[in-house]
Amino acid sequence: AQSVTQPDIHITVSEGASLELRCNYSYGATPYLFWYVQSPGQGLQLLLKYFSGDTLVQGIKGFEAEFKRSQSSFNLRKPSVHWSDAAEYFCAVVPNAGNNRKLIWGLGTSLAVNP
Amino acid sequence: DTEVTQTPKHLVMGMTNKKSLKCEQHMGHRAMYWYKQKAKKPPELMFVYSYEKLSINESVPSRFSPECPNSSLLNLHLHALQPEDSALYLCASSPFSGEVLAGNTIYFGEGSWLTVV
Repeated sequence: AQSVTQPDIHITVSEGASLELRCNYSYGATPYLFWYVQSPGQGLQLLLKYFSGDTLVQGIKGFEAEFKRSQSSFNLRKPSVHWSDAAEYFCAVVPNAGNNRKLIWGLGTSLAVNP
Repeated sequence: DTEVTQTPKHLVMGMTNKKSLKCEQHMGHRAMYWYKQKAKKPPELMFVYSYEKLSINESVPSRFSPECPNSSLLNLHLHALQPEDSALYLCASSPFSGEVLAGNTIYFGEGSWLTVV
């Protein structure tokens, strides 16, 4: 079955440390890929997206993500985390083939930042 | 800053009440959506409007009734809700009609927190 996996339910990092959040998908063809962030009590904000082209994508707030076809992954990274990055992060994909081409969401990764 | 505006931010209603959630976008987007989100879970699609017509209803109970008065506005009418309907209700919009088209990106509002007592 088509799915999106975020292996880490919860991650804690220290402020200033680097961050990598993992996302894997299982589809036959490369889907369209998204990362959204949800700060406590807020709606969802689009961080970045990948449709085609350069596999390293730059987003807002200093985030980037790299699409790796061989690993079916779209991991989110940030070189230096700020306390305000504490939030829930969702990876989502839209299959680019087939009939059920809707946003498929991962279960999310909760990020805590220690001062 | 989000350009999808939702009101009210918080709503408490009894199980016999009738209330409405409102959403507005001024980005010229042709599709608008309602999602329901429980705490720490991903959002669940409820309805999709494409060019002001209901295109997708994800088998949502009839106590939720969407309405799209024009291309910028989307309402969700609530009646006879249950406590398990308490959740964050997110409105969203996208440039193209439908959720599934290539190059389509969905932009979310900040949501309306609904508590049913």
